[in-house]
Amino acid sequence: AQSVTQLGSHVSVSEGALVLLRCNYSSSVPPYLFWYVQYPNQGLQLLLKYTSAATLVKGINGFEAEFKKSETSFHLTTPSAHMSDAAEYFCAVSDLGGSEKLVFGKGTKLTVNP
Amino acid sequence: DTGVSQNPRHKITKRGQNVTFRCDPISEHNRLYWYRQTLGQGPEFLTYFQNEAQLEKSRLLSDRFSAERPKGSFSTLEIQRTEQGDSAMYLCASSYRSGFEGYTFGSGTRLTVV
Repeated sequence: AQSVTQLGSHVSVSEGALVLLRCNYSSSVPPYLFWYVQYPNQGLQLLLKYTSAATLVKGINGFEAEFKKSETSFHLTTPSAHMSDAAEYFCAVSDLGGSEKLVFGKGTKLTVNP
Repeated sequence: DTGVSQNPRHKITKRGQNVTFRCDPISEHNRLYWYRQTLGQGPEFLTYFQNEAQLEKSRLLSDRFSAERPKGSFSTLEIQRTEQGDSAMYLCASSYRSGFEGYTFGSGTRLTVV
């Protein structure tokens, strides 16, 4: 089965700083990859997805992620953090064998300091 | 597009009682997914439907859990004889044709078993 590792359960940055949230997956077979954002007491919202097209994927709210097969990574970045970016971010990967279920990481809580 | 609707938003129940949650997906979406999220964890897959057919179930879905999607529209998730370990956020999501496109999540039902 697939597994997802998100390094850093908490990341804290200053407003305007670069944000880097790390995600590594286990399979050597390129999967479908997703980043979701969750605001307090809300469901998850899709930020962006990689589905075997361009390796650099742009999403909503100024976020982007780069798929690196050799590193089995799909890190999420934004060049300039806004206060409104404070939330929890989840990386997810499609499971093996064609299943449509997603395997999620444990999440990274992003704090943006003024 | 009214989004994915889940009811109730919150449910407090006594141990041993049965509870039922409802999910109304986006109307043209034929895939429907249930996930469970506990504090500090990412969502864990429970089950998913294509129209009215339940295509996959997690082993997390013990005999006390059952899900239905009659007529391929709304879905219900029932938990019988609730235990304290069932306390979690139950998330429903839907997708148009395939989970590989990414899901649209509802806001979830938070279950507290006392």
